[in-house]
Amino acid sequence: QQQVKQSPQSLIVQKGGISIINCAYENTAFDYFPWYQQFPGKGPALLIAIRPDVSEKKEGRFTISFNKSAKQFSLHIMDSQPGDSATYFCAATYRSNTGKLIFGQGTTLQVKP
Amino acid sequence: DTEVTQTPKHLVMGMTNKKSLKCEQHMGHRAMYWYKQKAKKPPELMFVYSYEKLSINESVPSRFSPECPNSSLLNLHLHALQPEDSALYLCASSQETGTGIGPQHFGDGTRLSIL
Repeated sequence: QQQVKQSPQSLIVQKGGISIINCAYENTAFDYFPWYQQFPGKGPALLIAIRPDVSEKKEGRFTISFNKSAKQFSLHIMDSQPGDSATYFCAATYRSNTGKLIFGQGTTLQVKP
Repeated sequence: DTEVTQTPKHLVMGMTNKKSLKCEQHMGHRAMYWYKQKAKKPPELMFVYSYEKLSINESVPSRFSPECPNSSLLNLHLHALQPEDSALYLCASSQETGTGIGPQHFGDGTRLSIL
């Protein structure tokens, strides 16, 4: 029940297109769902996060959609740019605990010019 | 630039060496973490410190020894490592509030190679 399943493993999108990465979880105790972006040679950087009482959160070109009943959440990158090419990790945790993050396996995104 | 600073950026050591990784943050965060990350894999949690006390050890071998000298610093002491310990070691920190733990902020890591 501690797993977070992420798909696809890799994604190629044309510049200007929409990139969509999906994650699913089982533990209903999770109450915080962050997305991290990681460039080669760098640490993961917090991109955007959502709580289960919200169905959608948007920050610039990045949107998280959250479906509590289906226990799924997804990241949408609108107008994808070559600079968005990176590895994206979804994660889940419950903040009342230690904040231990359960990561998905990651998605490598390549945006072609 | 990240607000969590890790040194050194790269480290090559033999299996009999003793070395230390350092992590520093000045965001006033009271929770600090060590992660290990292999290529093309997500970070794996190793240790969690909360208010300078070790709160989680994810069954990490004793050749890794964490230390939290104060609320801004986190060390990871390494001794007698194995080749399979070669990885990117990440430090992270987060704020603790009355309602729980805040989001984790990562450093850029130390790339460790064991000869």
